Amino acid sequence: GNSVTQMEGPVTLSEEAFLTINCTYTATGYPSLFWYVQYPGEGLQLLLKATKADDKGSNKGFEATYRKETTSFHLEKGSVQVSDSAVYFCALSEGYGGSQGNLIFGKGTKLSVKP
Amino acid sequence: ETGVTQTPRHLVMGMTNKKSLKCEQHLGHNAMYWYKQSAKKPLELMFVYNFKEQTENNSVPSRFSPECPNSSHLFLHLHTLQPEDSALYLCASSQDSGVGRLNTGELFFGEGSRLTVL
Repeated sequence: GNSVTQMEGPVTLSEEAFLTINCTYTATGYPSLFWYVQYPGEGLQLLLKATKADDKGSNKGFEATYRKETTSFHLEKGSVQVSDSAVYFCALSEGYGGSQGNLIFGKGTKLSVKP
Repeated sequence: ETGVTQTPRHLVMGMTNKKSLKCEQHLGHNAMYWYKQSAKKPLELMFVYNFKEQTENNSVPSRFSPECPNSSHLFLHLHTLQPEDSALYLCASSQDSGVGRLNTGELFFGEGSRLTVL
């Protein structure tokens, strides 16, 4: 079945450091890929997405490229801020058909950014 | 403010109690969901409602009973829960594109109801 594996956290970085959170997936067909973020005390929010191979999703300085050859969708940011401290979730959907909510999530990676 | 409101934010209940979680969305969406978020586990999809009809029930124990009276409101009724049911319960909504169309995958989540079962 479909699955998502993302790096275990927590990840602790200093402000302005470079961030990479790895995410790989297993899926049949052509899934769409997503990164969601959960700030402390809040629900999840969509951060970025990519719907086909080689697409790059970007938002708020974060980027991720849909790599079909390596089945990966790693999240990157060139210079993190304290306000980026949150839990990041990689997710996939089956693309066509079904319900939007039939997302498969990774376990989440907690990021802490120190000033 | 995501347009999805959940109440209560925190709930403590005994194993024999009956309580309900409430979710309301102000986004005009046609689909609503309940997710369970436990520590160190992936989010678990529990129930899906499209146009008020339940379309998915992911092998959830019968002590959890959903109700969707209209497309804006979703409830999760709780009865004789176990301590392992303690978790953050997240409600979400989306505008479902339907079978045969590309899912955008954009869910709008509430802040969650933190449930503790004693």
